[in-house]
Amino acid sequence: QKEVEQDPGPLSVPEGAIVSLNCTYSNSAFQYFMWYRQYSRKGPELLMYTYSSGNKEDGRFTAQVDKSSKYISLFIRDSQPSDSATYLCAMSVTGGSEKLVFGKGTKLTVNP
Amino acid sequence: DAGVTQSPTHLIKTRGQQVTLRCSPKSGHDTVSWYQQALGQGPQFIFQYYEEEERQRGNFPDRFSGHQFPNYSSELNVNALLLGDSALYLCASSTLAGAFSYEQYFGPGTRLTVT
Repeated sequence: QKEVEQDPGPLSVPEGAIVSLNCTYSNSAFQYFMWYRQYSRKGPELLMYTYSSGNKEDGRFTAQVDKSSKYISLFIRDSQPSDSATYLCAMSVTGGSEKLVFGKGTKLTVNP
Repeated sequence: DAGVTQSPTHLIKTRGQQVTLRCSPKSGHDTVSWYQQALGQGPQFIFQYYEEEERQRGNFPDRFSGHQFPNYSSELNVNALLLGDSALYLCASSTLAGAFSYEQYFGPGTRLTVT
């Protein structure tokens, strides 16, 4: 079993839709949870960062962590064509500069 | 403020050859991590350099080696290239000094094709 599982999609939605992206993990030591966005031929950029369990909101983006279920989610409200990218979940045990363990990534297309 | 830069952008090598990839971290960062991202996969951690020493290493063979220079830039070397080494190689910079920083800034990557 891989440490982090993520449905690779692809996921195609109409503009304005609510998008839900999810990852599960097996290592209960993970405490720091991140979502990265990666456009084609670019490096990943950090979207959201959450420590331990709970919710975090930033504009149209909401990150949720449920440590009891080892399950994290990213919600995108009012999705835009510019949100079309691959979304990667990543996790680490101690945060900071420690190595990140990534999911496979979910390719999202938002159609105008 | 220049972000993380990597060179070359892409290159093609033959099986058995050796390759060197380069990374310059974001200004103010002292730690460089290297990741391998195969097509359709998430990045996998190769190793991390801090103060010119390898600080952490992922599950990669000794064919993968690195170096960090006094100006914090870094090189990734891969010997005896295999077809399976074809991937996007990402460099991420961060800092272990000063205040806690959770963000690792990624460069655009070097796309390596092994034929």
